[in-house]
Amino acid sequence: DTGVSQNPRHKITKRGQNVTFRCDPISEHNRLYWYRQTLGQGPEFLTYFQNEAQLEKSRLLSDRFSAERPKGSFSTLEIQRTEQGDSAMYLCASSPGLAGAEETQYFGPGTRLLVL
Amino acid sequence: SQKIEQNSEALNIQEGKTATLTCNYTNYSPAYLQWYRQDPGRGPVFLLLIRENEKEKRKERLKVTFDTTLKQSLFHITASQPADSATYLCALGGGNAGNMLTFGGGTRLMVKP
Repeated sequence: DTGVSQNPRHKITKRGQNVTFRCDPISEHNRLYWYRQTLGQGPEFLTYFQNEAQLEKSRLLSDRFSAERPKGSFSTLEIQRTEQGDSAMYLCASSPGLAGAEETQYFGPGTRLLVL
Repeated sequence: SQKIEQNSEALNIQEGKTATLTCNYTNYSPAYLQWYRQDPGRGPVFLLLIRENEKEKRKERLKVTFDTTLKQSLFHITASQPADSATYLCALGGGNAGNMLTFGGGTRLMVKP
């Protein structure tokens, strides 16, 4: 399967703990996006990378959220000091990253986070 | 403020009928609009893209219209089937919507046999 993969698929944690999610994009896709989705809502954009460069991070929900894509391949999203309000589905998507092109994004299955 | 609105109430239709879903937006000037399908517990799956200079796009049983004056897109599924039951999301991109996609809240479609 050459689609976008995310791990873990489910994560239960206690309030105050740190969590890290991983996303492996489609091979050779230059752009990688992170979204958060709560029940009954559409995905909410968080941040994106063009190769290893993080081009937009102002939408990250707080300074407890950070993302990396160190070698321009997989990416990690970390949430520090989790709060109950962080409970949501975290989605990753990738796209070819062609300059000036409207791009279809290919989504992974998501990581569902529950903060107790 | 910027808004993307989709009917939050579920749309229930009978198999074989045409389903029409609406996406309205304010204070955006997107270069394109996309429609995605999302099944429970899964990530969205791309269906169609329509550009600002296009009025209509078709793909098999799907048709999308885009009216930049009304700031509205309509998404039609003809000859609907129970397997079409899902949540459908519209998303704006490009223009002042930026490189990322900005999604509406989605509309849940239920097709009854």
